[in-house]
Amino acid sequence: DAGVIQSPRHEVTEMGQEVTLRCKPISGHNSLFWYRQTMMRGLELLIYFNNNVPIDDSGMPEDRFSAKMPNASFSTLKIQPSEPRDSAVYFCASSLESYNSPLHFGNGTRLTVT
Amino acid sequence: RKEVEQDPGPFNVPEGATVAFNCTYSNSASQSFFWYRQDCRKEPKLLMSVYSSGNEDGRFTAQLNRASQYISLLIRDSKLSDSATYLCVVFTGGGNKLTFGTGTQLKVEL
Repeated sequence: DAGVIQSPRHEVTEMGQEVTLRCKPISGHNSLFWYRQTMMRGLELLIYFNNNVPIDDSGMPEDRFSAKMPNASFSTLKIQPSEPRDSAVYFCASSLESYNSPLHFGNGTRLTVT
Repeated sequence: RKEVEQDPGPFNVPEGATVAFNCTYSNSASQSFFWYRQDCRKEPKLLMSVYSSGNEDGRFTAQLNRASQYISLLIRDSKLSDSATYLCVVFTGGGNKLTFGTGTQLKVEL
């Protein structure tokens, strides 16, 4: 089992640039989540998909953030334009549909916007 | 009031000690509860689910108190390798959505 795969592991970019984060969930998992983690705010849910459909995007900070899940095996989180306050670790996680099933996290993408 | 609250710590304990963390939640309709562990600069990983009757996994015991709306994690005979941040996770609301606490940091020392 390869687990949840995220890329890139690290991203350093300049303010104003577009950033795209990628995620491949565990095969067979129906739910996919994007989280952001900072020291100040902890883990924040940005958006989650169920069966490739966005269910709750209320955590997406603003219009600069967008997420897609074109199929069951791939999702992207895009920030355009990026700002220094977007610097954080972004985690993707997947789970089976049941609320009793645990989340499996990817290794995360550490984003630094200068 | 936050949906899920934890004491951030750090809890500094000697090796072999017993340590307990609590986590409070605000939504009385919350259905499922979990403890996750996160090592420095790593992803969170499920430590254990929390069942209504309480459950134990080796040195770890989790309990749920619905009346007072909190869950607890007890670690006995703590090891250096237990040093990590422990995240309380609560399923609230509709759909498959989990809310994470900000975590409690544990440092086990020689």
